Amino acid sequence: GNSVTQMEGPVTLSEEAFLTINCTYTATGYPSLFWYVQYPGEGLQLLLKATKADDKGSNKGFEATYRKETTSFHLEKGSVQVSDSAVYFCALREAGNNRKLIWGLGTSLAVNP
Amino acid sequence: NAGVTQTPKFQVLKTGQSMTLQCAQDMNHEYMSWYRQDPGMGLRLIHYSVGAGITDQGEVPNGYNVSRSTTEDFPLRLLSAAPSQTSVYFCASSLGTEQYFGPGTRLTVT
Repeated sequence: GNSVTQMEGPVTLSEEAFLTINCTYTATGYPSLFWYVQYPGEGLQLLLKATKADDKGSNKGFEATYRKETTSFHLEKGSVQVSDSAVYFCALREAGNNRKLIWGLGTSLAVNP
Repeated sequence: NAGVTQTPKFQVLKTGQSMTLQCAQDMNHEYMSWYRQDPGMGLRLIHYSVGAGITDQGEVPNGYNVSRSTTEDFPLRLLSAAPSQTSVYFCASSLGTEQYFGPGTRLTVT
């Protein structure tokens, strides 16, 4: 079946460091891919998305490119801030009209000043 | 717009008690869902609904019931609480590709 695998955390970085959180997926066809972020004590919110191969999603300095050839959707940010400390979830939605999302387990990021 | 609201924020139950977690959205979204979030297990889908009067099971439905009598409301009922149901519960709604999450209910069953 379809699945999402993301790198285990926790990830700890210093402010202004470069961030990569790896995400790979298994799916048939062309799923849509998402990154959600969960700040402490809150629900999840959409960070960025890509709906077809080679699309790049971007928001708040974060980027991720939909790579069909490597079935990956890695999240990157050039210079992290303390306020980026959160849990990041990679997810996919299967091709078609299905609204259900398949989730990775989440990666916790802590950014130290 | 209030978005997705959930009540209560925190709840402690004794084993065997029942309760209802409330979820409401004011965005006229057709799709609503309930997840539970447990350490190391990510988000697991409990039940979902594609519109008023229609519900279906997710991956971990046992011990939970739902109903969808209106577009706005999607309550989750715990029939007889068990310690294994200690978790954080999130309700979400969707019209298109993005899911909107409520702030969560932290439930402890002793």
